[in-house]
Amino acid sequence: DAGVTQSPTHLIKTRGQQVTLRCSPKSGHDTVSWYQQALGQGPQFIFQYYEEEERQRGNFPDRFSGHQFPNYSSELNVNALLLGDSALYLCASSLGRTVYFEQYFGPGTRLTVT
Amino acid sequence: AQSVTQLDSHVSVSEGTPVLLRCNYSSSYSPSLFWYVQHPNKGLQLLLKYTSAATLVKGINGFEAEFKKSETSFHLTKPSAHMSDAAEYFCVVSGTGGGNKLTFGTGTQLKVEL
Repeated sequence: DAGVTQSPTHLIKTRGQQVTLRCSPKSGHDTVSWYQQALGQGPQFIFQYYEEEERQRGNFPDRFSGHQFPNYSSELNVNALLLGDSALYLCASSLGRTVYFEQYFGPGTRLTVT
Repeated sequence: AQSVTQLDSHVSVSEGTPVLLRCNYSSSYSPSLFWYVQHPNKGLQLLLKYTSAATLVKGINGFEAEFKKSETSFHLTKPSAHMSDAAEYFCVVSGTGGGNKLTFGTGTQLKVEL
């Protein structure tokens, strides 16, 4: 049973460019959350998708957007990249949105903005 | 708003000695609390979770944590450290505004010495 997978593993972009990160949830999971982890920091919640809609959002600008597909996979898009967007981006999946359902994390995508 | 504070950014122990990683939480309602571990270049793994059942929670790899409402604490312990326990540990609180958004602490780096 495959766990949460993310692609690509690493990515280098230039300031001002746009990037798309992808996530496939654990089999049977219907909820996907995205987190940003800057170097030396704890992960910060970006947003959560459930039933193809954004259900919760953290304190991130509109440059960060996402999508969830009917098969529950998800994309994170970041426009007009800034140097400060350099981070590890983590995807987590769960079955349902309540606190009783454990979130499983993928290995992350390391984004470097130059 | 809810938050967690990890009281130590770095903890160093000798192999075979007890581990104590300290976490205090702040929440306006009964929280769900978690400990996650992150090994270098790997994703986050759930160690244990508290969701208003037993206050002493047992997790994987011999770790356990005790929820103490009077002290607003959720400290992580292990009787005997192993070299493989060296990693970054995050205390996490969940569940604000519906959904299961996770709010992470800043992390504690555990070093295990021979």
